[in-house]
Amino acid sequence: DGGITQSPKYLFRKEGQNVTLSCEQNLNHDAMYWYRQDPGQGLRLIYYSQIVNDFQKGDIAEGYSVSREKKESFPLTVTSAQKNPTAFYLCASSARDRESGNTIYFGEGSWLTVV
Amino acid sequence: AQSVTQLDSQVPVFEEAPVELRCNYSSSVSVYLFWYVQYPNQGLQLLLKYLSGSTLVKGINGFEAEFNKSQTSFHLRKPSVHISDTAEYFCAVSTSGGYQKVTFGTGTKLQVIP
Repeated sequence: DGGITQSPKYLFRKEGQNVTLSCEQNLNHDAMYWYRQDPGQGLRLIYYSQIVNDFQKGDIAEGYSVSREKKESFPLTVTSAQKNPTAFYLCASSARDRESGNTIYFGEGSWLTVV
Repeated sequence: AQSVTQLDSQVPVFEEAPVELRCNYSSSVSVYLFWYVQYPNQGLQLLLKYLSGSTLVKGINGFEAEFNKSQTSFHLRKPSVHISDTAEYFCAVSTSGGYQKVTFGTGTKLQVIP
């Protein structure tokens, strides 16, 4: 089945450690996104990429980094510079064509907890 | 710049009763509109979308929404809710040109009471 796979589902990190969340899609979508979700705050955009080898900061990029070396993959690294990283992270993708209206499809999410 | 407002953070409703979740948007250009549903500890699932054409859009799980350009609204409705509809619902808007940034509302938690 086509879709977006995020791993791991649950991740625990010690303070001061970097961690990387994986996101893979087999939908042949050009654009990929990372969102952060905190209770009662909706979704906030961290980074997005419209094409391979290119990405842009979203609204809350500080303390995060990404790469887009392959069309299918868009990993997110949560660095030690991120002051409050405990959250639910959602990866998403879209076709970026007029027909789809940039409909965004989401993965199942990853919970990151700092211990 | 575009924005989305979901007027109700929580909506309690009895099982088999009708429900309407409200969404208003603001944009200076033409828009695309979406509703997503999120069950606990899961990602967002697309319920329905309006791109063009008929202003009444039908989606999955018996939901429908109506695009009202004059009132800049895209309210979600279901004539009879089920316990399994308990979830959080997000409205989103995308502009029709350029980068097509998608903006999400803050969500409405639908609590279906048995």
